[in-house]
Formats: sequence, C-alpha cells, structure tokens
Amino acid sequence: GQQLNQSPQSMFIQEGEDVSMNCTSSSIFNTWLWYKQDPGEGPVLLIALYKAGELTSNGRLTAQFGITRKDSFLNISASIPSDVGIYFCAGQLASGTYKYIFGTGTRLKVLA
Amino acid sequence: DAGITQSPRHKVTETGTPVTLRCHQTENHRYMYWYRQDPGHGLRLIHYSYGVKDTDKGEVSDGYSVSRSKTEDFLLTLESATSSQTSVYFCAISRDRGTEAFFGQGTRLTVV
Repeated sequence: GQQLNQSPQSMFIQEGEDVSMNCTSSSIFNTWLWYKQDPGEGPVLLIALYKAGELTSNGRLTAQFGITRKDSFLNISASIPSDVGIYFCAGQLASGTYKYIFGTGTRLKVLA
Repeated sequence: DAGITQSPRHKVTETGTPVTLRCHQTENHRYMYWYRQDPGHGLRLIHYSYGVKDTDKGEVSDGYSVSRSKTEDFLLTLESATSSQTSVYFCAISRDRGTEAFFGQGTRLTVV
C-alpha cells in the first residue's frame, strides 16, 4: 500500500534548539495532519494543513504543506523538555478514499 | 478533547477467543476509523466507516470485522484472536472527509 516516509526516525537535541522533520511520498495528498504522541496515550493533533503551500503555526510549531502536495514539514522552535515524544505525520490521499496514511514517526528526545 | 471513549482500555485474552472493542463518540462525526499500532510499523488502518452501516477495509483487515449500527458506536471484533493481534488499538473520528481526525486513548490488547 501507499507509504509515507518520515524522517528522521529519531533525534536527540539540546534544549533551546530548533527541530525539523518531514514526510514525503510518491502520492499526492489533499490534507496533511501532524500529531504528537506521549507514552500510553493516543496521538494528539497539533496542526492540520489543507492547501498546497500553506504554512500554519501553533505556538512554537510550524508546519507546511509542500507545493508538490507530496510532502510536508514540521518545525519546532526553541525546544523544551516537554517536547519529548513521537511525532507522526498523516496524509489523506487525493485519489478519492477516506483513509489517512501515517508515517512511522519521529522520536524526539530533548536533553536539558 | 474530542469526545471519544474506547473500552476496554486493557484486555488480556486467550488465543482462539472472540474479542470486541468498542469506540464511542459524542461528536456526531460521520467518519470513524480503527488503527493498530505496533513498534516499527506506526499506525496502520484496519477498517473504517463513512456512515451508519457503511464500512470498508483498511490495509490490515484480515482477522477483523467491524460494525456500525449507529453514528456514535464503532465496534471492532477479532473473530478468533491470535498472538499476532497483540497490539494497541486506536479509534479515530473525523467530521468529514479531509478534516481533522481525533484519536481515542487506545486499548492495549494482549493475546496469550
């Protein structure tokens, strides 16, 4: 089936640093969603993107819907310890289905 | 938080027994999804529903069935549980196609 390639798989960063992660695919998407998941919890929606080129912020988080509609990016500025967790991208294909496809996640660890 | 309740939250069952997981929503959203989450695989779609009595298969539907007899409830049944179905199961809802999807807290199922 379709896949979303999410990178990096994991990263260690120092508190205060900026973080970037991305999702790419060979398919075209109509919607991109970014989630954060803490241990033992369900994914929590961070940002939703609906248009190619759209740039949306939520506090220190900024996400972009790629112009080709095949990718999306998430940036976290000035990371803090509570940013630790797994970040997932999800896309809804433009090919007429109701399904969201998820990336395999980026595990973020912040060193104080 | 979106009004999504999954039950039970934890279950241990024996191989070969049937198991039913319940997802209940209070948001009157049209779309409901069942995902499973396993290490190294991210979130994979099992089945989804686009209305009462309207369901379709996801990418890992073998061994699972679903039913949606009313808007607020989406049931996932493992007809004869196997050890490979040990996983964390998440329900998600979305108001419409292409809109944000919100997740429940998950059900941890162990098949022994």
